Amino acid sequence: GQNIDQPTEMTATEGAIVQINCTYQTSGFNGLFWYQQHAGEAPTFLSYNVLDGLEEKGRFSSFLSRSKGYSYLLLKELQMKDSASYLCAVRGSGGYNKLIFGAGTRLAVHP
Amino acid sequence: SQTIHQWPATLVQPVGSPLSLECTVEGTSNPNLYWYRQAAGRGLQLLFYSVGIGQISSEVPQNLSASRPQDRQFILSSKKLLLSDSGFYLCAWSVKGRGEAFFGQGTRLTVV
Repeated sequence: GQNIDQPTEMTATEGAIVQINCTYQTSGFNGLFWYQQHAGEAPTFLSYNVLDGLEEKGRFSSFLSRSKGYSYLLLKELQMKDSASYLCAVRGSGGYNKLIFGAGTRLAVHP
Repeated sequence: SQTIHQWPATLVQPVGSPLSLECTVEGTSNPNLYWYRQAAGRGLQLLFYSVGIGQISSEVPQNLSASRPQDRQFILSSKKLLLSDSGFYLCAWSVKGRGEAFFGQGTRLTVV
């Protein structure tokens, strides 16, 4: 079976750092993806990890541990516009680049 | 650059009516294409994916069908809508061999 778990909601303060965790159990593994989705809008691609370790892209970083089935998205210097849902997705084996998504974490950034 | 167009943006349809949502991709050839549905406050559920013209795979049994009549065109259809078909429908594409998918703007469907 396939299972991707994320916290449902998180809150943080403007200027702070927040870490959103994701654990997964999938049939094979060919990469983990993070997307940002503002309310009522389509998801936009943030980051991609296929090897263990940290990938940094500006204020956003994503970490992967394949042996633990674990990833996190780290957001630094939080801004109000970072209030959104953050979706963790895994590409399993079997081809076709199918992405299986978690339910998402709703992040609220407060002043 | 590649772009994906999805329409309409919003749709209100009565129960039992047909449905046709269209998605087209520009600036790329032979993409993988996907239809996802997102219920209110929920994650994305993969409905269909296609690796080429006329090749459709269904992920979950349901009241919907998909077709790919041209390389960069993907259509989601239903003959008779149910109330449970309401949701946010998203079309996406990806390059073969790469994982990240890029999404259209979505169609918010309300079945009344």
